[in-house]
Amino acid sequence: DAKTTQPTSMDCAEGRAANLPCNHSTISGNEYVYWYRQIHSQGPQYIIHGLKNNETNEMASLIITEDRKSSTLILPHATLRDTAVYYCIVRVRGGSQGNLIFGKGTKLSVKP
Amino acid sequence: DTGVSQNPRHKITKRGQNVTFRCDPISEHNRLYWYRQTLGQGPEFLTYFQNEAQLEKSRLLSDRFSAERPKGSFSTLEIQRTEQGDSAMYLCASSSTGEGDTQYFGPGTRLTVL
Repeated sequence: DAKTTQPTSMDCAEGRAANLPCNHSTISGNEYVYWYRQIHSQGPQYIIHGLKNNETNEMASLIITEDRKSSTLILPHATLRDTAVYYCIVRVRGGSQGNLIFGKGTKLSVKP
Repeated sequence: DTGVSQNPRHKITKRGQNVTFRCDPISEHNRLYWYRQTLGQGPEFLTYFQNEAQLEKSRLLSDRFSAERPKGSFSTLEIQRTEQGDSAMYLCASSSTGEGDTQYFGPGTRLTVL
């Protein structure tokens, strides 16, 4: 079973920031938080990951709480092309258990 | 385009036939993963390779499924005696344990079993 919980769906107005929450209260000290998204009928796309510090790249920002029990993915200026299912996953990097465990994710709908 | 390619992109077959899918990972990535995704669900792990060694197999990988990565580069996933329940998107991903082990996914192969 997935070790994360996310809202089933969210709406966001085009041009506004989309803030997607994720709870991972049982996260272990060596587990990273990864975010992927999946646009309809395509393979999942890697967005960002982090351990305990906040991270930013050209796609998004990742804010992880100090206790690491939750995180928020921020898309600063959502566009219609950001409509997708967003998955939050916790995982040890390079460990022997290599697989990602996907939950059902959050379906983000960006509206004009 | 992540650099992971999968062929074919779509496959329609009749129940009982065998099918084979191919995945070409990002060059130099030592890990390769197979996942399956059915409608409305997140991807589910099937198996993964580190170089040519198959290190882990999910209980979802029944005896009718076999995967190979003979030279540690491309991989094939074969399904024998297909059933309608095998209809799904089959996804391949690759990663490099020397470069952060982030998995990058291919576009998937959509299998329809009639």
